[in-house]
Order: sequence, then structure tokens, then C-alpha cells
Amino acid sequence: DAGVIQSPRHEVTEMGQEVTLRCKPISGHNSLFWYRQTMMRGLELLIYFNNNVPIDDSGMPEDRFSAKMPNASFSTLKIQPSEPRDSAVYFCASSLGTRQPQHFGDGTRLSIL
Amino acid sequence: GQQVMQIPQYQHVQEGEDFTTYCNSSTTLSNIQWYKQRPGGHPVFLIQLVKSGEVKKQKRLTFQFGEAKKNSSLHITATQTTDVGTYFCAATSGTYKYIFGTGTRLKVLA
Repeated sequence: DAGVIQSPRHEVTEMGQEVTLRCKPISGHNSLFWYRQTMMRGLELLIYFNNNVPIDDSGMPEDRFSAKMPNASFSTLKIQPSEPRDSAVYFCASSLGTRQPQHFGDGTRLSIL
Repeated sequence: GQQVMQIPQYQHVQEGEDFTTYCNSSTTLSNIQWYKQRPGGHPVFLIQLVKSGEVKKQKRLTFQFGEAKKNSSLHITATQTTDVGTYFCAATSGTYKYIFGTGTRLKVLA
């Protein structure tokens, strides 16, 4: 069975550019999470969707970040405009429900120059 | 807000030695999960603990949930080079929101 699929795996872009990260959760999972991982701050929850509805976006750093989940099989995380401090590994994870094991994608390694 | 501290931050052990990482919360937890992340990889779910005082084993790994449900530990017996990676606890006080610990990076010397 396919796991959580993220694209791109790597992204290098100049500051000010728009960045879009994509995620396909595991089929049948109704919970989707976006995380950011850095050495300084560890693994941080950015936003949580349940049944395609954003439930908690309190972890989104600022208005430059936005996330959507138009259907059960696709989600995007967008940064516009991007800044060097946004450089990190961004993970998408899905689960069968709350308090269930989370299945992580391979992540997107983002570098903003 | 809820804080999850994990110690130690790093641990280097000789292959065959035991290893333990500890996870401590400032609040009472509903349940706790443990994940392993290999270098360059993504977190992979290991186990979930729910009951006070619960102990679960997976081969050489032993997971424990404290009686007060504020702490947890992961113990690896006779480490192998395949155990290398960062071990994270992820704790929740009852909602969907899991707070990940800072992780313990394990290095096993052959």
C-alpha cells in the first residue's frame, strides 16, 4: 500500500518566491497534519485537518503561510512570499483518526536562499 | 502550554550496551506515542501507551508509561547498529494535538 506521498522532495528557491508543497494522504485516513522540522525548534505542528476541514492552524507561523485541503486525497501548504528563515523539512502526516498512529511522508526539504 | 522534555539529547553507546530515553510532561497525559527517525528519514510510529503504568515490549524495546501519566521511557536492550536514529515521544492531553519531544539522538558504535 502506498504511504503518504509528498512532493517535491527538495526545493531550492530565492526569497520572495512562492512555494507550494503537496501531500497525498493514505486513502481512508481522515486526519491530516503538516509539520515543520528544524534543528532549533524540533518538530512543530503547523496545521491539522479533520475530514478536509482545518481544525487548528494555531501553529502556522504567520500570514505568509496558508494550507488547503480541497478533497480527501490532496493537501497543499503554501508560503508566499518565502523567507530564508522558512528553510526546514516540511512533513505531512495522516492518521485514521485522532489519537491514532501518524504516518509521515518522506518530507520536503526546503531551502530559501 | 503543555511542554514535553526529553532526555538525554544525545547518547553514544557501544554496540551491545543498553540505552534509555526519558520523556517528561508538565501536564497529565491522555496517551503517549513513540517514533523513530533514521538520519535523513521521516518519523516512523513505534508504539502507543494509554494506561497508567503500562509496559509494552517489542523485541529488544521496552516502553513504559508512568503511574501518574506524566512521564514515559523507552529502553533498548543490547543495542545494534540498526538502532541508530532519533527517538521522539509525542504526547497528548486528550486532543488530536500531539506535542513532540525534542528527541534523543542515538549513535551506536560498532
